[in-house]
Amino acid sequence: QKEVEQNSGPLSVPEGAIASLNCTYSDRGSQSFFWYRQYSGKSPELIMSIYSNGDKEDGRFTAQLNKASQYVSLLIRDSQPSDSATYLCAVNNDYKLSFGAGTTVTVRA
Amino acid sequence: EPEVTQTPSHQVTQMGQEVILRCVPISNHLYFYWYRQILGQKVEFLVSFYNNEISEKSEIFDDQFSVERPDGSNFTLKIRSTKLEDSAMYFCASSPGTFSNQPQHFGDGTRLSIL
Repeated sequence: QKEVEQNSGPLSVPEGAIASLNCTYSDRGSQSFFWYRQYSGKSPELIMSIYSNGDKEDGRFTAQLNKASQYVSLLIRDSQPSDSATYLCAVNNDYKLSFGAGTTVTVRA
Repeated sequence: EPEVTQTPSHQVTQMGQEVILRCVPISNHLYFYWYRQILGQKVEFLVSFYNNEISEKSEIFDDQFSVERPDGSNFTLKIRSTKLEDSAMYFCASSPGTFSNQPQHFGDGTRLSIL
């Protein structure tokens, strides 16, 4: 069973702060990793992909990958109320995504 | 921007009835998927489909489930005899398929309610 674990929420941050989300995975052979955002009642929306160790930045989002530690993280800088959502970590294994349970982030104004 | 479209957005069906969920993947994508999400739970993989056949399926995808690409654009999920526990959001996704690590893009989902 290929497991993806995320830090339990909910996570509440003030507007303008950094939200930090963590994810670990069990399959050491995994090669590609994604963060999806899911608003309540909506579908997962891709926000970041990362394939190599290190950091990848896209606007206010930074993904970090450490394959040796089997760890992926997402930082959301300058958090906005519109960032309030559930963030899903997903790991690709042979064309199949395994999802974590998600971390719900609330940005308070 | 191209998107995956799903119909209907909400389907209500009596237990034991057959239901077909429809999806139009992004036009140049080669891999197609179905996932489901029971209320309050994680997104779960059901099946992947490539070159007109199933690539992989989960243990959820039993004999009651089938998938089909009846023409060049549609991709369907059929549940033959629905159970109460089939109530969930069903998401279709597609990916270019050139490499296994390419992102999958999700449709808006079909909410299936079994009475």
